[in-house]
Amino acid sequence: IAGITQAPTSQILAAGRRMTLRCTQDMRHNAMYWYRQDLGLGLRLIHYSNTAGTTGKGEVPDGYSVSRANTDDFPLTLASAVPSQTSVYFCASSSTANTEAFFGQGTRLTVV
Amino acid sequence: AQSVTQLDSQVPVFEEAPVELRCNYSSSVSVYLFWYVQYPNQGLQLLLKYLSGSTLVKGINGFEAEFNKSQTSFHLRKPSVHISDTAEYFCAVSDRANAGGTSYGKLTFGQGTILTVHP
Repeated sequence: IAGITQAPTSQILAAGRRMTLRCTQDMRHNAMYWYRQDLGLGLRLIHYSNTAGTTGKGEVPDGYSVSRANTDDFPLTLASAVPSQTSVYFCASSSTANTEAFFGQGTRLTVV
Repeated sequence: AQSVTQLDSQVPVFEEAPVELRCNYSSSVSVYLFWYVQYPNQGLQLLLKYLSGSTLVKGINGFEAEFNKSQTSFHLRKPSVHISDTAEYFCAVSDRANAGGTSYGKLTFGQGTILTVHP
């Protein structure tokens, strides 16, 4: 089934540890995004990528980094996790042809 | 900069009653408008979108929304709700002029409205 795959589904992480959230899409969309969802705040954009090889900062980029080595993959890395990064993380993708964004199922991350 | 305000954090209704979920936005540029739905422990699914043309847009599951430019609103409505409509609903906007085709995914979201349909 075409779509976006995120891994892991959930994770409990010790503060100070490094963590990479994985995101893969098979729709050949040029643009990809990472959002975090927090209660009462909706979803906020962390980083995005217009196309392979380029990335940009969203609304809440601090403490996160991304890379876009190819069209399909867009990993999100927390270099040194802190409890405030406890959240549900969603990866999404879009293209001009589809006129909408498609979202993955999310990764629930708890930093303790 | 853009912002989106969903005026109700929670909306309880009885089955078969009509419902309206309110959304207002603020933007200095022309925007696209979206409503997404999130069922428990799932990702977001697009309900409907306004890109251009008729200001009344129809989406999936019997939902519709009306774009009102003068009031900068994009309220979501359904004439008769079902138990299965219980979910969280998000209004979102994006800048029409985003580079690289990101106009449909580089979104500013509202805080969400939890719709609970009671039998």
